[in-house]
Amino acid sequence: DAGVIQSPRHEVTEMGQEVTLRCKPISGHDYLFWYRQTMMRGLELLIYFNNNVPIDDSGMPEDRFSAKMPNASFSTLKIQPSEPRDSAVYFCASSPRLPGADTQYFGPGTRLTVL
Amino acid sequence: LAKTTQPISMDSYEGQEVNITCSHNNIATNDYITWYQQFPSQGPRFIIQGYKTKVTNEVASLFIPADRKSSTLSLPRVSLSDTAVYYCLVGDMQNYGQNFVFGPGTRLSVLP
Repeated sequence: DAGVIQSPRHEVTEMGQEVTLRCKPISGHDYLFWYRQTMMRGLELLIYFNNNVPIDDSGMPEDRFSAKMPNASFSTLKIQPSEPRDSAVYFCASSPRLPGADTQYFGPGTRLTVL
Repeated sequence: LAKTTQPISMDSYEGQEVNITCSHNNIATNDYITWYQQFPSQGPRFIIQGYKTKVTNEVASLFIPADRKSSTLSLPRVSLSDTAVYYCLVGDMQNYGQNFVFGPGTRLSVLP
């Protein structure tokens, strides 16, 4: 298996633009997670899905952020409009079950820079 | 509210054994203890997971005392490539989300 795939790996955009980050989880994994990592706040869980259904989105910072999982092999995280404070590395991870009983497999991340 | 406490940083030399202790005083019955490793510009990677006593794999050992209020990750004979941030997580299988928090981790620097 190729592991969790994220695209793009790097994104530079201007404030106010829409940004869409993409993730393909490992086949057969029922759980998908979106994280954000910054120097100041560390690694934060934004949202996670179980069988394509959002379970906990309490970590989504505000309404400018939205995430979807239209099928088991694809998820998007969208920021509209983007702001400089959204600059961070965004990770997608997948797991066959809740991480208490199993592990998460992280993708390589998307480094987002909002100018 | 953070569920775990671990040292912010540690230094070691090549060939030494490194022990990183994590405190989790409020661990619940259903919680597992999981350690991840993160290299710069990469996502975290699973190292080891345990519930009680001792777990060992090809990479590390995890020691958990009977009260489970702490755990120690042991890396035998570290090399320069073990320089990374190590995260201790305490996970409730029934309630993930904001209850399952990556703290600031321990930044391990292995020196030649």
